[in-house]
Amino acid sequence: SQKIEQNSEALNIQEGKTATLTCNYTNYSPAYLQWYRQDPGRGPVFLLLIRENEKEKRKERLKVTFDTTLKQSLFHITASQPADSATYLCALEDSGTYKYIFGTGTRLKVLA
Amino acid sequence: NAGVTQTPKFQVLKTGQSMTLQCAQDMNHNSMYWYRQDPGMGLRLIYYSASEGTTDKGEVPNGYNVSRLNKREFSLRLESAAPSQTSVYFCAGRRVGADNSPLHFGNGTRLTVT
Repeated sequence: SQKIEQNSEALNIQEGKTATLTCNYTNYSPAYLQWYRQDPGRGPVFLLLIRENEKEKRKERLKVTFDTTLKQSLFHITASQPADSATYLCALEDSGTYKYIFGTGTRLKVLA
Repeated sequence: NAGVTQTPKFQVLKTGQSMTLQCAQDMNHNSMYWYRQDPGMGLRLIYYSASEGTTDKGEVPNGYNVSRLNKREFSLRLESAAPSQTSVYFCAGRRVGADNSPLHFGNGTRLTVT
């Protein structure tokens, strides 16, 4: 069956450290993968997109990697801050169908 | 620009009642989506509309119907609400193009069915 899995347990890290979140998928062949941030009571907000031919993408303190052999994407926040505390979701488009499927999300808490 | 607007923000229904969740966007989105979000389940796709005039089932369509009224509006209808439909519902839109553009979400409708 098709699945997108993220660590369901919350991730707690100290301020200033690097947070690394994982997204694994099964039985999809996405041309690209996206990461979103969701704050309580709000809809998800887009952060970054990485294409299948890109190994790594950066935006300020954010870095995303995409390994199509492992079927995995890693999302890194460097020099994390309490304001980075949120739930982070990965998403992919089921190729050619316009269906956007999301992982379950990982809740990150950055401790001051 | 308002972006993606969902109404109502909150709703309480009794089992068996019907209601329509409204979604409107002013971002010129071609595709629109309805998701539900439950604790531990993430966002699950209910229905989507790839373009005006088309609708398709997502992962969890049972108990729901949708209407893509025009390019701007995409509504979700519960004909006979059940407690299992208690959830937060999100509408999203996307402008389809070569840039793999992302989804833009509304702020959700929190629905409780008693």
